[in-house]
Amino acid sequence: DIQLTQSPSFLSASVGDRVTITCRASQGISSYLAWYQQKPGKAPKLLIYAASILHTGVPSRFSGSGSGTDFTLTVSSLQPEDFATYYCQQLRSYPLTFGGGTKVEIK
Amino acid sequence: EVQLLESGGGLVQPGGSLRLSCAASGFTFTFYSFNWLRQAPGKGLEWVSTISVSGDSTYYADSVRGRFTISRDNSKDTLYLQMNSLRADDTAVYYCANGDYDEYWGQGTLVAVSS
Repeated sequence: DIQLTQSPSFLSASVGDRVTITCRASQGISSYLAWYQQKPGKAPKLLIYAASILHTGVPSRFSGSGSGTDFTLTVSSLQPEDFATYYCQQLRSYPLTFGGGTKVEIK
Repeated sequence: EVQLLESGGGLVQPGGSLRLSCAASGFTFTFYSFNWLRQAPGKGLEWVSTISVSGDSTYYADSVRGRFTISRDNSKDTLYLQMNSLRADDTAVYYCANGDYDEYWGQGTLVAVSS
């Protein structure tokens, strides 16, 4: 199984900050990676797929990069509605797996 | 508007069964593969199962293989998850999602396995 390691697991930031979350795969997954945002009590929402393609309706302050084993999710200027938990997921092979999550909280 | 609406969750005793449904609307059901995912209380996301566009191919997490069965009814735009031999560690909110990249998710349905 492909393991995904997200870091950090917790991040404290201020509105307007640039924030970067990393996701490392235990083996190469090409660009078969997605990023999701989840707010408390709500279903996750797709932000980015194929490592770097912004899903419909997602603000352009979100961006993704990487290929192979190392990936990043960047929020260029954190907004109040961005405080949430973020997960990466690999879709290269079954079983599909998620990273452990990164909780972004207000400083 | 894309909508996925799960139903069928509830409280069940260990060893019992439940069938979850996911009714889809707002897009062409037959164009998409579908996934079931779950989230135990206070925990992260876990992929459970995937069914292909045609329904001919299905995939399962090791933790549910042999106990859960995913299926789809293209005439009803509905996805199913038959869950048998339920265990306490199956307790979670279950979500359905469409597409290779879980493009849209339902609101989730809670399955609680307890005596």
